[in-house]
Amino acid sequence: AQSVTQLGSHVSVSEGALVLLRCNYSSSVPPYLFWYVQYPNQGLQLLLKYTTGATLVKGINGFEAEFKKSETSFHLTKPSAHMSDAAEYFCAVRPNQAGTALIFGKGTTLSVSS
Amino acid sequence: DVKVTQSSRYLVKRTGEKVFLECVQDMDHENMFWYRQDPGLGLRLIYFSYDVKMKEKGDIPEGYSVSREKKERFSLILESASTNQTSMYLCASNRHGSTEAFFGQGTRLTVV
Repeated sequence: AQSVTQLGSHVSVSEGALVLLRCNYSSSVPPYLFWYVQYPNQGLQLLLKYTTGATLVKGINGFEAEFKKSETSFHLTKPSAHMSDAAEYFCAVRPNQAGTALIFGKGTTLSVSS
Repeated sequence: DVKVTQSSRYLVKRTGEKVFLECVQDMDHENMFWYRQDPGLGLRLIYFSYDVKMKEKGDIPEGYSVSREKKERFSLILESASTNQTSMYLCASNRHGSTEAFFGQGTRLTVV
């Protein structure tokens, strides 16, 4: 079965510092990959996704992620953190086949200090 | 914009009650999903449906059932609510062959 591992349940950075949230997946074939963000008391909002093609994917709010097949990773980065980036971030995969649902990691809470 | 609407943001129910959580989407999506979100556990799939009257068990279906009588509506049913079902419940939908899912705002259910 496919699974997603997010390394670090909590990440703290200073405003202006690099954000790096780690995600590894297990799959026999490359799945579709996603990062979602959840602000307090909100649903999930799609940040970015990888399906096929270019392995560096740019998303909203200055975030980007790189699909590395050899490392089975899809880490999320942002060059300069902003206070408004404080939220919970979820990495998810979807097997590349019809009739399947997203499988989520356990989430990483990002704190940003001034 | 896709809209997925969950009927309640907050619910408080008593142990043993039958509880209905409703979800409606307005984009004619074939697939609908119910997830449960708990701290440290992420989102876990309860049930999903890929067509009217069709349903598939997810990873944690025990204690839950679902109903999909119309394409736009997917209901999650707790036949006899228990305190361990206190959680945030998230509904999502997408189109066949689509990649990402669109989420509702969530229902925070407390069972006392």
